[in-house]
Amino acid sequence: AQSVTQPDIHITVSEGASLELRCNYSYGATPYLFWYVQSPGQGLQLLLKYFSGDTLVQGIKGFEAEFKRSQSSFNLRKPSVHWSDAAEYFCAVGEAYSGAGSYQLTFGKGTKLSVIP
Amino acid sequence: SQTIHQWPATLVQPVGSPLSLECTVEGTSNPNLYWYRQAAGRGLQLLFYSVGIGQISSEVPQNLSASRPQDRQFILSSKKLLLSDSGFYLCAWSVTGGTEAFFGQGTRLTVV
Repeated sequence: AQSVTQPDIHITVSEGASLELRCNYSYGATPYLFWYVQSPGQGLQLLLKYFSGDTLVQGIKGFEAEFKRSQSSFNLRKPSVHWSDAAEYFCAVGEAYSGAGSYQLTFGKGTKLSVIP
Repeated sequence: SQTIHQWPATLVQPVGSPLSLECTVEGTSNPNLYWYRQAAGRGLQLLFYSVGIGQISSEVPQNLSASRPQDRQFILSSKKLLLSDSGFYLCAWSVTGGTEAFFGQGTRLTVV
C-alpha cells in the first residue's frame, strides 16, 4: 500500500527566507504526486502535481517541487516566503483504483508553516 | 467552470444525534466523489468514494455512511454521532480517470 511521510510537523521561517518542505512516499510504481495547501478552516488548494516527464515542476504562488525517484522524495520549495504563505501543506500520492476509473489520494499528515514578519 | 459546495460550514451536534452533511458539484457530469475526514495532527483520511449514482465504497469501517442519490450530490450521514466523530470533513471531486481532486471548503463538526 502506498504511504506518504512528512517528517516536519511544524516549520517556522522568516519572511523572505527560503523554504523546503519534505515529503517521502512509498509506492511500487511511478507515482502521481501532489502538494496541496490549506488555509485555516478552509478546503485544500492544489499547488502543483507531478505525473511524468520533467522532475522539477512549477506550481502556483511561486512554489516548485522536485521528484527524486532514488530518494522517493517530492520536496516542496519556495525561494522567498511571504507572510501569506502561512498555512498547512499536504503532500499526497495518487494510486489508481483497479478498474474503477478513479484514483485514491493518500495524504501525509501535513506540515504547518508559520512565517515570522 | 466547475464548483463544489459543501454545507454547513460549522456544526455542533450532541452525542447520539443524527448527522447529514451535503456536498454538490456543479459544472461537470459523472464526477468521482469523495468524503475525507481531517482530525488534528492526523492528516486526511479517506472515508468514502463514489464513481457513480448509488455506488459507494467505504475505506474505513465506522459510525458513518454515505449516499449518492444524484449524479452530483454526495451525502455523509450518521444515525447516532459519537464524540470521536468530531473533526473537519472535506468533500472532493475528480473527473473520471483523473488524478487531481478538487476540494470543498469543509465542515467543522463538533460533537458535544
